[in-house]
Amino acid sequence: QVQLVQSGSEVKKPGSSVTVSCKASGGTFGNYALSWVRQAPGQGLEWMGRVIPVLGTTNYAQDFQDRVTITADKSTNIAYLSLRSLRSDDTAVYYCTRGGDSGSFAFWGQGTLVTVSS
Amino acid sequence: DIQMTQSPSTLSAFVGDRVTITCRASQSIHIWLAWYQQRPGRAPKLLVYDASILESGVPSRFSGSGSGTEFTLTISSLQPDDFATYYCQQYDTFYTFGQGTKVEIK
Repeated sequence: QVQLVQSGSEVKKPGSSVTVSCKASGGTFGNYALSWVRQAPGQGLEWMGRVIPVLGTTNYAQDFQDRVTITADKSTNIAYLSLRSLRSDDTAVYYCTRGGDSGSFAFWGQGTLVTVSS
Repeated sequence: DIQMTQSPSTLSAFVGDRVTITCRASQSIHIWLAWYQQRPGRAPKLLVYDASILESGVPSRFSGSGSGTEFTLTISSLQPDDFATYYCQQYDTFYTFGQGTKVEIK
């Protein structure tokens, strides 16, 4: 069974950067796209971008293109989300998620709360 | 970008009610649509993918239908566990979520 385990909560200052990790176990890490989705307090789900480890390719949502980098290390089965120039409205729970045999997101990490506050 | 519009935003219902949530895409997404359930403080859970295929382990009272631009999620008999927020998602062109439908106890 696929499991995604994320790193712990973070508190950051405005203007700084944050990196969240997601370790995958079970299944074949490299063959499936791994996406990051965030959820601000009381709000809906927002796709940020994805990495396809076997191809080494990334795609980003337009709203995040200038500030986000998603990487994957096939040797450790860990994916990373880096977000720069943090603002207070980046305060959210960040989820890593992976598809199954369809393009939907069958597997989710437990979420990582990132709080941006001065 | 493909926009996804869910209705209603909030739904109040009794245990045992049949409920339907609608999701509309701004352009055809064929059958590339999923439904998720999210309880407070938890990660979303996949219920339905490819518009109508029930994810393994999901109770059969859940069903999905539709294609093109109009989709529905139906819960045939609402159970206490089903009070949650539901999201649709397209994966025809990258990914977009609907704004969510909160199902509340009446």
